[in-house]
Amino acid sequence: NAGVTQTPKFQVLKTGQSMTLQCAQDMNHNSMYWYRQDPGMGLRLIYYSASEGTTDKGEVPNGYNVSRLNKREFSLRLESAAPSQTSVYFCASSERAPPYGYTFGSGTRLTVV
Amino acid sequence: TQLLEQSPQFLSIQEGENLTVYCNSSSVFSSLQWYRQEPGEGPVLLVTVVTGGEVKKLKRLTFQFGDARKDSSLHITAAQPGDTGLYLCAARYNTNAGKSTFGDGTTLTVKP
Repeated sequence: NAGVTQTPKFQVLKTGQSMTLQCAQDMNHNSMYWYRQDPGMGLRLIYYSASEGTTDKGEVPNGYNVSRLNKREFSLRLESAAPSQTSVYFCASSERAPPYGYTFGSGTRLTVV
Repeated sequence: TQLLEQSPQFLSIQEGENLTVYCNSSSVFSSLQWYRQEPGEGPVLLVTVVTGGEVKKLKRLTFQFGDARKDSSLHITAAQPGDTGLYLCAARYNTNAGKSTFGDGTTLTVKP
């Protein structure tokens, strides 16, 4: 009963380094999402994938890239990390039909120094 | 751009008290979800409402969807320390191609 699995759980990067956050879901959902959560700013959408083979920008896409590797996996890449990207990152998945609710992973806490 | 506002931002109450959290949108939404998030974890879906005027109950939690589909409320009866957490509302709009917009959340603390 894994749901959505994110790796790693914690990461510290130096400014300018790159890394990829991994996400996999086992619920056969079509849609997958990457959000970041910052204190006092709620969850903001970075990128999403409505279905396998498609990706679109969300509210805050700058500095990020994504890959929908297959129906199960959706990765988020930081090419050149900046301190402003210090945040908690959540991956989520959902069906495209009602009831629409997201299933979230447990998050990746990223610190860029 | 749709805006989703939650109030209050923080709420601290004693065990046994009742409370209501509000979620208001600048635009009509097609569906609305409520989530609860505990420290160090991802949000967990509590309920989805899709029909104007709809009321759903989950044990001591009552969720209401406004008739005009622009607002929702979460009422907790006889709050318990286990209810402590961040409560988030999220709305889907017909123009958003399946994406959800989240409110900033209400941090609830229930003291024993």
